[in-house]
Formats: sequence, structure tokens, C-alpha cells
Amino acid sequence: SQKIEQNSEALNIQEGKTATLTCNYTNYSPAYLQWYRQDPGRGPVFLLLIRENEKEKRKERLKVTFDTTLKQSLFHITASQPADSATYLCALAPAGNNRKLIWGLGTSLAVNP
Amino acid sequence: DTAVSQTPKYLVTQMGNDKSIKCEQNLGHDTMYWYKQDSKKFLKIMFSYNNKELIINETVPNRFSPKSPDKAHLNLHINSLELGDSAVYFCASSQWGANTGELFFGEGSRLTVL
Repeated sequence: SQKIEQNSEALNIQEGKTATLTCNYTNYSPAYLQWYRQDPGRGPVFLLLIRENEKEKRKERLKVTFDTTLKQSLFHITASQPADSATYLCALAPAGNNRKLIWGLGTSLAVNP
Repeated sequence: DTAVSQTPKYLVTQMGNDKSIKCEQNLGHDTMYWYKQDSKKFLKIMFSYNNKELIINETVPNRFSPKSPDKAHLNLHINSLELGDSAVYFCASSQWGANTGELFFGEGSRLTVL
């Protein structure tokens, strides 16, 4: 079956360290993959998009990698801050039907001061 | 100035009632969506409209009926509410063909069916 999996356990890290979140997918051919941030009681907010022919994308302290052989995307936050604490969602747009995103359950990140 | 606004933010109602959630976007986007996020935080698309035309209609009970009077508005009407309809419903919009395919979400409408 087709699915998107993210680390189900919450990630706790110390301020200043790099947080690495994982998104694995099976049985999809992605056109692109997006990462969103969701705070409690709020809607998801778009962070980054990476296309299937791209290996890496950066935006300020954020970096996303995409390995279509491993069927995996990694999301890194460098020099993490307590304000980065949130749930991070990955969403995959299947090739041929990229109007319909398939979402992971999200990984909760807590950055401790 | 809120980009995607939905009302009401909270809705508590009895089983069997009919309720509506409204959504408006002022971003000039041509595509709008309704998503459902359940208690496990799983986000699932329900409907999508592009320029007032229904383009995505997932396996959703026909008690749920979306309506898009114009491309800036997308409403969701739910008939005969059931306990399992309790969830947070998110409206979102995007500009089809834009470089990032980014979705802009509203703040959500938390529906509780008693």
C-alpha cells in the first residue's frame, strides 16, 4: 500500500543543536515533496518544497534533502531555538496527480533551552 | 489582514444537526481545499475547487457538501452530523501552477459533535 511515514516519537533536542526529521514513503513516484510547520491550534504553514530531481534545498537555517533511491526526505534545522518547537509535516505530491497531496502524521519537535 | 479565514473557529453541536463552515481567501488564488484533521493529527483532503469547479472529491459521505460561490469562497455544509465527524476542518488555498504549489491554510474550525 502507499504510505508516508514520519518519526512517530517526539524529538527532544537541546537549543543550538541540529534537529533532523525523517519522511519516508513507499509506492509513490513523487513529483515533489513539501515540508510544513504546525503549531498547536493553528493551520500548517509552508516551509520548503523539493522536487524529485533535486538533491537539496536550503532556506536560512532549514535544509531539506531528497533521496528518491532511498525514498526518503530529511529535514534539518540548524542552530535550533525553542521557537522552533512545533509539529513538522511532510506532504508528497504524486507524479501524475500532484493536485492531491499525501500527508505524513508529523513529528513533534521540542527544543529545550 | 488574514489571508485565509474560516468561521466559526469552534462549533459544538448535537448529533443529527446540520452545520456549515465558511471560508474566504483574499490571496487571489484560483484553487481552494477542505481538509479534515482527526484526533491523531492525520490531515486528509476532502474536496478541492479550481475556479469554482470541483476537481477533487475524495471518498467522503454525501452528508458533506461543498459549495464555491466564487473563487474566493468555499463553504462546507454537513448534514445529519455524527460523532465521527468531530475533527478540525481546515480550509486552504493555492495558486495552481505557482512554483512551489504552496498551500495557505486557515486557522481551522474545531467541530465537536456530542
